[in-house]
Amino acid sequence: DAKTTQPNSMESNEEEPVHLPCNHSTISGTDYIHWYRQLPSQGPEYVIHGLTSNVNNRMASLAIAEDRKSSTLILHRATLRDAAVYYCILRPVLGEKAAGNKLTFGGGTRVLVKP
Amino acid sequence: DADVTQTPRNRITKTGKRIMLECSQTKGHDRMYWYRQDPGLGLRLIYYSFDVKDINKGEISDGYSVSRQAQAKFSLSLESAIPNQTALYFCATSDGQRGPGNEQFFGPGTRLTVL
Repeated sequence: DAKTTQPNSMESNEEEPVHLPCNHSTISGTDYIHWYRQLPSQGPEYVIHGLTSNVNNRMASLAIAEDRKSSTLILHRATLRDAAVYYCILRPVLGEKAAGNKLTFGGGTRVLVKP
Repeated sequence: DADVTQTPRNRITKTGKRIMLECSQTKGHDRMYWYRQDPGLGLRLIYYSFDVKDINKGEISDGYSVSRQAQAKFSLSLESAIPNQTALYFCATSDGQRGPGNEQFFGPGTRLTVL
């Protein structure tokens, strides 16, 4: 499986933007880039995903480098409720059934939001 | 009401005991998964099921078994629990009809301690 590299932790002030980087230099052309987050004492929750183009939804934006070797999750205005561990995950498309459609979680980035 | 529920939420047991963790979902999804999370680490896939008659091992299935009793129910069993199975266990579901980007929805987790 292609590997992702994320910083261990980041701090932000409330209502300021947060940019979470993820390096995935060995990504294949058929890997989707997914982001999940895990709030304290909860299960992970989906944030956003993309393949090649930048994506926006109500939670965040995903900026994908042109060569797809890196991506950045952007929280536009961090709130205290955004304090969580954020996981960048590559999901293979081809052979999906054989791969179990699994999410391979790395260590993630712990985001601390200061009031 | 939660879409993905897990019972029990907490369980303490002794080495050698048989334990069953249950997962139910009301989302109507065909795919269900069991993951475990060890302290400070990401989640690892134990078993996954693409429908009632399609059950597959994940990356760490040794010592575990599963049963998909119905589309909405997926149980995880530890036939003879051992201390290194102490972990947080998550069930997840997804809609296979949504294609390769389908997101997974996680339950609240079961904290299992094996003494």
